[in-house]
Amino acid sequence: DQQVKQNSPSLSVQEGRISILNCDYTNSMFDYFLWYKKYPAEGPTFLISISSIKDKNEDGRFTVFLNKSAKHLSLHIVPSQPGDSAVYFCAVSGAGSYQLTFGKGTKLSVIP
Amino acid sequence: KAGVTQTPRYLIKTRGQQVTLSCSPISGHRSVSWYQQTPGQGLQFLFEYFSETQRNKGNFPGRFSGRQFSNSRSEMNVSTLELGDSALYLCASKGPTNTGELFFGEGSRLTVL
Repeated sequence: DQQVKQNSPSLSVQEGRISILNCDYTNSMFDYFLWYKKYPAEGPTFLISISSIKDKNEDGRFTVFLNKSAKHLSLHIVPSQPGDSAVYFCAVSGAGSYQLTFGKGTKLSVIP
Repeated sequence: KAGVTQTPRYLIKTRGQQVTLSCSPISGHRSVSWYQQTPGQGLQFLFEYFSETQRNKGNFPGRFSGRQFSNSRSEMNVSTLELGDSALYLCASKGPTNTGELFFGEGSRLTVL
């Protein structure tokens, strides 16, 4: 029973265009929603997060959107750069737990 | 500020052996959690410690255990290793904020032969 789903295992985008990564969750009690980026042989690094009381958070080229009614989270990267090529994980926290629950990741490839 | 440090980075064991992995959190962080990453299952939560107490445990067999010391350093142990235990084991530390943000180490890559 997956609480967090990233339905696209991979995504290819041309350099300079927008990358949109999606994530769906099942539990409406989650408090925070986060995106992590992971390169091979490295640990995940925090990218951006959003509280359940907001619907948008922006940090430079990265914007996270939260649609609570649809239980849907998305990450927009504009413009995409080759260095953005990595695996992106969405994660949720809260609902009375201290742990993060991760999706299985989406591998983004930005083509020069 | 030093990041999360995990040792060893790579290790190879055989079935039936046991392994101990170590993690030093960011200075001042009292919460340490462990995750297992495998290609098929993504990142799965193992357990979380705060001030030497296990606060939460994931859905893993009792062969997986951990502990935290008074200086917040943590160890996890896997006994009677199985082939399926081959994975990247990630340690993460958390500061006093409640935003859920974790800071991960580079992981310990375990291969069980």
